[in-house]
Order: sequence, then structure tokens, then C-alpha cells
Amino acid sequence: GDSVTQMEGPVTLSEEAFLTINCTYTATGYPSLFWYVQYPGEGLQLLLKATKADDKGSNKGFEATYRKETTSFHLEKGSVQVSDSAVYFCALSDGSTDKLIFGTGTRLQVFP
Amino acid sequence: ETGVTQTPRHLVMGMTNKKSLKCEQHLGHNAMYWYKQSAKKPLELMFVYSLEERVENNSVPSRFSPECPNSSHLFLHLHTLQPEDSALYLCASSQGIGAGRNQPQHFGDGTRLSIL
Repeated sequence: GDSVTQMEGPVTLSEEAFLTINCTYTATGYPSLFWYVQYPGEGLQLLLKATKADDKGSNKGFEATYRKETTSFHLEKGSVQVSDSAVYFCALSDGSTDKLIFGTGTRLQVFP
Repeated sequence: ETGVTQTPRHLVMGMTNKKSLKCEQHLGHNAMYWYKQSAKKPLELMFVYSLEERVENNSVPSRFSPECPNSSHLFLHLHTLQPEDSALYLCASSQGIGAGRNQPQHFGDGTRLSIL
């Protein structure tokens, strides 16, 4: 079945450092790909999405490119802030419904 | 404000109690979901409702009983829970089947449930 694999955390960075969180997927069809973020004490919020190969999703300085050849959707940000500290979830949907398959989440800790 | 409201935010109950979790969405969506989020485990999809009909039940124990009286409200009735049921329960909604591809889910802030 379809699945999502994320790098294990926590990822610990200093403010203004470059961030990469790896995500790879397995899917039989042509999924849409998402990154969600969960801040402490809150639910998940959609951060960005991409719906087809080579699409780049971006929001709040975060970017991720849908790479079909490597089945990846890595999350990047050029300069992280303390306020970016949260858990980041990679997810896919099979395109026929809105059902999501999530990765295990990666905790990001940014220190001043 | 995500448009999805969950109450209560925190709930402590004994194993013999009966309680209910409530979710309300103000987004005009047709699909609603219950998830369980436990420490160090992936997010677990429990139930999916589309147009008030249950379309998915992922082998969830019968001590969890969902109810969807209309497309804006979703409940999770709890009875005779076990300590391992302590977790964050998240509700989400989306536009639903037929609305086209790539519709994101919108999540509430969750109910933190602790079983004594």
C-alpha cells in the first residue's frame, strides 16, 4: 500500500540555519503531496502542497518540490527562526479521495 | 482559527466512565475524520465520514463509537476505555469526495485524553 517515510528527529538547529527535512513516498498512482506543521498544543496546519511532478509548493519561506524520479518531497527553508520549532508531517493523498497517509513526523527545535 | 473546533480541549476520565468528544466545522465541508495521535507513533486514522455516512472504520475497538448527525458535527463517544487509549484525538474536515483532487484537510486543536 501507499506509505510515507520521514527522517527521524529531532532536528536541532541554530536560528538562521538552513533546514532540510527528508520525505520519500511509495504510491501506486499519482498522489498529491503535502507538508503539515503542528505547533505545541495545536492541531495540524497545512503548510504547503504539490499536486504533480515538478510542482514546487511554498509558504512562509518553506519550499518542497515534487520529485517523481526520486519519489521525494523534501522540505527546505533557507533561514529558520525560533518560531519554526514544531513537528512537521509529510503526507500524501491518492487523488481519488481526500484521505491522507502521514509520515511519523519530524520534530524541529530551533535555538537562538 | 482553522474553522474546526474541538471540545473539550482536555479530558481526564476513569476506565468506567462514559464521555463524548465533540467536533464542529464551520467550513461547509462534507467529509470529517477522527485521528488518534500517540507519542512516538504515526497519526492513526480512526473513522471517516462523507455526507454523514461512515465510509471507513480502521479496526477501531468498539469502545470508541462515532456519530455524525450532520455534515457540520462529529462526535466520538467513549466508554470503558483503557490506559493505552490516552492520546490526543484530532478531528479534521475536508471538502469531500466529488470536490476534486488535492483538497487539504483542516484540523482542530485536538482533545487531550487521559485515562486513569
